[in-house]
Amino acid sequence: ELKVEQNPLFLSMQEGKNYTIYCNYSTTSDRLYWYRQDPGKSLESLFVLLSNGAVKQEGRLMASLDTKARLSTLHITAAVHDLSATYFCAVYLYGGSQGNLIFGKGTKLSVKP
Amino acid sequence: GAGVSQSPSNKVTEKGKDVELRCDPISGHTALYWYRQSLGQGLEFLIYFQGNSAPDKSGLPSDRFSAERTGGSVSTLTIQRTQQEDSAVYLCASSLQGLYGYTFGSGTRLTVV
Repeated sequence: ELKVEQNPLFLSMQEGKNYTIYCNYSTTSDRLYWYRQDPGKSLESLFVLLSNGAVKQEGRLMASLDTKARLSTLHITAAVHDLSATYFCAVYLYGGSQGNLIFGKGTKLSVKP
Repeated sequence: GAGVSQSPSNKVTEKGKDVELRCDPISGHTALYWYRQSLGQGLEFLIYFQGNSAPDKSGLPSDRFSAERTGGSVSTLTIQRTQQEDSAVYLCASSLQGLYGYTFGSGTRLTVV
């Protein structure tokens, strides 16, 4: 059974600092997705990673995928308050359960001045 | 339309009543998911439709929950004899084989009183 683990689950950081959120998964996959959710809102797609070594960047966020290590990272550079949100990773498992898409529990990020 | 449309956006219902939640996916998207999200929690998978295949209903929490997808497009999630524990945000997502990610609707906030 595919398990997707995010850590940390809660992250409080100061503006201007860097940090990384980790998404580990337990079986082979080469598709991984990152989402952002603001309070009271739906999920917004951030990155789609479709191959080993894929790296995508948007503003202060950069996501990467290492399929051999079964690990994706979401790196935050020089955090600003606007990045405060909950971030979810989701892994696609071919022929798996739950419609082949397994979500992590989310990382709640709070960026403080 | 340009995105995934869900209706109603908010629904307050009395315990024991039936409710129907609607999802209109992006045109051409073959995959459609329903998730439930309780306050401050992660995503709970409910049901998955892929083209004309039999749906994956493994996440439906009880036989009070059912869903259908007509003509490979619009989906309706029905909850019979609602209970207070059914109160949550119900999210719908659609995708074209996951190649470009999964697009979420804005959700239906269900409150059972």
